[in-house]
Amino acid sequence: GAVVSQHPSWVICKSGTSVKIECRSLDFQATTMFWYRQFPKQSLMLMATSNEGSKATYEQGVEKDKFLINHASLTLSTLTVTSAHPEDSSFYICSPGTRLSTGELFFGEGSRLTVL
Amino acid sequence: AQSVAQPEDQVNVAEGNPLTVKCTYSVSGNPYLFWYVQYPNRGLQFLLKYITGDNLVKGSYGFEAEFNKSQTSFHLKKPSALVSDSALYFCAVRPPDQTGANNLFFGTGTRLTVIP
Repeated sequence: GAVVSQHPSWVICKSGTSVKIECRSLDFQATTMFWYRQFPKQSLMLMATSNEGSKATYEQGVEKDKFLINHASLTLSTLTVTSAHPEDSSFYICSPGTRLSTGELFFGEGSRLTVL
Repeated sequence: AQSVAQPEDQVNVAEGNPLTVKCTYSVSGNPYLFWYVQYPNRGLQFLLKYITGDNLVKGSYGFEAEFNKSQTSFHLKKPSALVSDSALYFCAVRPPDQTGANNLFFGTGTRLTVIP
């Protein structure tokens, strides 16, 4: 199956700083990367979809200037939380997409962001 | 509108006893149905899926799920629970007529605790 590497696993930062989360697709080329956010005791919510070489598509209610997404290559997508605030503390998970025959999604290991 | 319901936030079961984690869905047509498991601060791991064929599907770690079209349910089951099965379980559905990888609708999750 696909191998997805997400880094960092944990990050603690001060309010007002920016944090970058990387998601790498290790064994296949990902033209699309999906970014999810998961609040405690809640389900995954799709934030945005990044597309290699073009602008990301954001879900309703997600601030594109706050959550900057870059998909510069077929193996790397980054999510930058700009001027982070405590309410941005969450678990962020990336997914490079599906195995077309089954629709099964592959996921990164997730990044726990805590903003003090 | 598509939706997935996991009516139980928490399920407790004694080790060695059978377990059931419930899921019902609402979607037009015949859906693709999935179960994922999430361990603390980790990404989601695929357990099993139903697309077509036998209503009883078998997946990883001894889990199985039964698709019941009349009841629009896809309950996750295991004959004998292990302490290591304790985790957060998500049911997800993908409408059959959707393309792309970002159309999985997730339930809110059920926390399974297996008591030694």
